[in-house]
Amino acid sequence: QKEVEQDPGPLSVPEGAIVSLNCTYSNSAFQYFMWYRQYSRKGPELLMYTYSSGNKEDGRFTAQVDKSSKYISLFIRDSQPSDSATYLCAIRGNFNKFYFGSGTKLNVKP
Amino acid sequence: DVKVTQSSRYLVKRTGEKVFLECVQDMDHENMFWYRQDPGLGLRLIYFSYDVKMKEKGDIPEGYSVSREKKERFSLILESASTNQTSMYLCASSLLQVGELFFGEGSRLTVL
Repeated sequence: QKEVEQDPGPLSVPEGAIVSLNCTYSNSAFQYFMWYRQYSRKGPELLMYTYSSGNKEDGRFTAQVDKSSKYISLFIRDSQPSDSATYLCAIRGNFNKFYFGSGTKLNVKP
Repeated sequence: DVKVTQSSRYLVKRTGEKVFLECVQDMDHENMFWYRQDPGLGLRLIYFSYDVKMKEKGDIPEGYSVSREKKERFSLILESASTNQTSMYLCASSLLQVGELFFGEGSRLTVL
């Protein structure tokens, strides 16, 4: 079983929609959770960082961690064409290990 | 603003050439990492370093070496480039035991 699982999509939504991106993970001891946005031919850009459980909001973005279900989510409100990118979830494990989802490709149509 | 800087965004090299990829971070992070990213294979760890002159093999170290002479700088070396090393190379850094991972802009290497 992989440490982190992410639906690769692609996901296509109309402009203004609410987008929900999700990952599941295997180890209940994980504490640090990240979401990245990656545009084509660029490096991943850190969007959200959450320690332990709960919600964190930053503008149109909300990150949610449900440790009981081992489920992490990123919500994008009022999605824009500029949000079209690949979104990666990541988790920090022990011994400086980071585990990554495979990425979900999002397309927001004008 | 936190910064991981990779010196070359795009490189084209010939088979057998020696290739150096440089990475510098300005966050005083102990950890530095080199990943490669390929379609369908995701991010794969090549090497990481948790201190100056220290290095640990990742999942795919074959054909690569690294150098960390200063805390802020981590170099990836391809001793003899091969076509199967054509890829996007990503440098990243983090604090030693806690916190998030920051990536550079990436270096896209093509080996002909």
